[in-house]
This record gives sequence, C-alpha cells and structure tokens, in this order.
Amino acid sequence: DSGVTQTPKHLITATGQRVTLRCSPRSGDLSVYWYQQSLDQGLQFLIQYYNGEERAKGNILERFSAQQFPDLHSELNLSSLELGDSALYFCASSTTVDSPLHFGNGTRLTVT
Amino acid sequence: AQSVTQLDSQVPVFEEAPVELRCNYSSSVSVYLFWYVQYPNQGLQLLLKYLSGSTLVESINGFEAEFNKSQTSFHLRKPSVHISDTAEYFCAVSPRNTGFQKLVFGTGTRLLVSP
Repeated sequence: DSGVTQTPKHLITATGQRVTLRCSPRSGDLSVYWYQQSLDQGLQFLIQYYNGEERAKGNILERFSAQQFPDLHSELNLSSLELGDSALYFCASSTTVDSPLHFGNGTRLTVT
Repeated sequence: AQSVTQLDSQVPVFEEAPVELRCNYSSSVSVYLFWYVQYPNQGLQLLLKYLSGSTLVESINGFEAEFNKSQTSFHLRKPSVHISDTAEYFCAVSPRNTGFQKLVFGTGTRLLVSP
C-alpha cells in the first residue's frame, strides 16, 4: 500500500459529461502529480501541484483542470468527455519535488 | 525533450530463469533513471533508481539495473525470476534540472513468468 488514495476506483460515464477524480496524498507529502495511462499513449504526465500551487504542466488538455486544496488533497476535473479520454488516471505524491513518486492504484474511467 | 524506448512489449520466461528487460533513452540533458513495476490492478511501485554514483543499482527483491551512459541504456536484470515477478515493468527518466517532476515513461514490458 503506497498510502496514496484515489476515488472512485471505477467511473463509467457518457460522452459530453464532466467527472471529478479525487486523490489523497500520503501523509506529509506536499507534491501531487496526475498521470494518464491509455493503451495508445502509454503513461503521460498531466500536471503537478506543490503545496497548493501548480508547479509543472505536461500534456494536459484544456478540457481538463486540477487543483490542490489546503488539506493537500487534489482533484482532477475532466469535462466534455470524449471516447478517447477513457484511460486509467493515476495520482502520485512525493514529500518534496526531489523525492521519488508514490502512486495510487488509479481511477479507471470509461467513456461510452 | 526526453524519450524512453522499451523494445520488448512482452517477455515470457520460465521460473528460475534469468531475465533482462531492455531500456534505452534519449535526452539532451542529464537525467535520473528509474524502473517502476505495476502489478495487476495496482499502481506503479518504484523498483529502483539511478541518481548518481555507482552505475549498478539493486532492489530489495533481487533486481538490478546498470546505467550505461555511452549506450544510453538502463537495462533491468534478475538472475532467477519467480512467478510473483509477473507484472508490467516501466522504465522512466526525468531531467536532472527538474528533479523528479517530469517523469517520462517507456511503453512498458510485460514480464510473464510461467512454471
């Protein structure tokens, strides 16, 4: 158990809808990362937050947004969903930006 | 920009046989190197990492990887695999100037260990 908690485990929704994925980092970790794992793109870095502020951005679509709250949990919001957004979304956390990442078990999103 | 190539999408091997999972990378800057393992229905777990110093790094469960700068490789090896090693293995790099922030992953190699 990595200590990173992601909810829900599975999410099935229709095209055009909006969903929110939630991540609770390990106790004491200030940095949260979001990754997308899909069959065609592999594992892609989306975005990173450190202590509530956006720190780095990767291949995140404009339809997607994220935030980190004062209690350090993070949410990834996906809107105007398309079939191609179906993927496994991982959250990871680390103590500092120079510490190894610890991954949660992911949220599997299926868009129908 | 960085890229990671894992040429083998799947490696079947018998229990107690040796295995090597290949990883090559491309980067214009110095990088940190990692291997992550993903067991079914689980997240990624850090297996081992190369930050500096000795080019041979080892994990607690018998895996080792050697950083070869001239060949830009970081192959993962284990002299004798177990059934429980069946999983997907991901090689990753991160530019040293960004710390561990922007991991770039390879496409993964599925290790299938059979009795």
